[in-house]
Amino acid sequence: EAGVTQFPSHSVIEKGQTVTLRCDPISGHDNLYWYRRVMGKEIKFLLHFVKESKQDESGMPNNRFLAERTGGTYSTLKVQPAELEDSGVYFCASSQGLSPLHFGNGTRLTVT
Amino acid sequence: QKEVEQNSGPLSVPEGAIASLNCTYSDRGSQSFFWYRQYSGKSPELIMSIYSNGDKEDGRFTAQLNKASQYVSLLIRDSQPSDSATYLCAVIFSGNTPLVFGKGTRLSVIA
Repeated sequence: EAGVTQFPSHSVIEKGQTVTLRCDPISGHDNLYWYRRVMGKEIKFLLHFVKESKQDESGMPNNRFLAERTGGTYSTLKVQPAELEDSGVYFCASSQGLSPLHFGNGTRLTVT
Repeated sequence: QKEVEQNSGPLSVPEGAIASLNCTYSDRGSQSFFWYRQYSGKSPELIMSIYSNGDKEDGRFTAQLNKASQYVSLLIRDSQPSDSATYLCAVIFSGNTPLVFGKGTRLSVIA
């Protein structure tokens, strides 16, 4: 079974630019989560999809962040325009039902 | 505010020793507790889950939960250099709320 895959693995952009991160969950997993780890801090929840619907987006920091999950398959997280404080590692995770989360390797975003 | 607290370490133990990793959480009503291991640059990997008071053993790993003290720990017996990683404690506080992570404890097993 293929795991959760994320693309790109690294992204370096300038402040004010736009970046789109992609996550492909494990096939058949209805739950898809985005988390972020900023340097020196804990991994923090951003949002949760159940299929194509946003179940909980309470962790989204502001309206510069837009997440979508078209057709309930892969998900994208767009940051527009990026700010310096957006730098960190963005993790995607998926699960089915109440099973534990499976994480991807993350996308390391650096905003300069 | 739902919080999960861990000592960031590093925790250094000699090869073959028992490594003890500790975690406290803020909500007494929490139901589900997880330990993840994360190697540098890799994804967090689930190694243990525990839901009721007491001990749960899986190979060299033992998770211990004490809900009255709001405390969960992970013991690693016969520690190996390959166990060197960051160990993340994570809690589901209630119902459908998302997983909340601690900052992680960095473990170093010295050969």
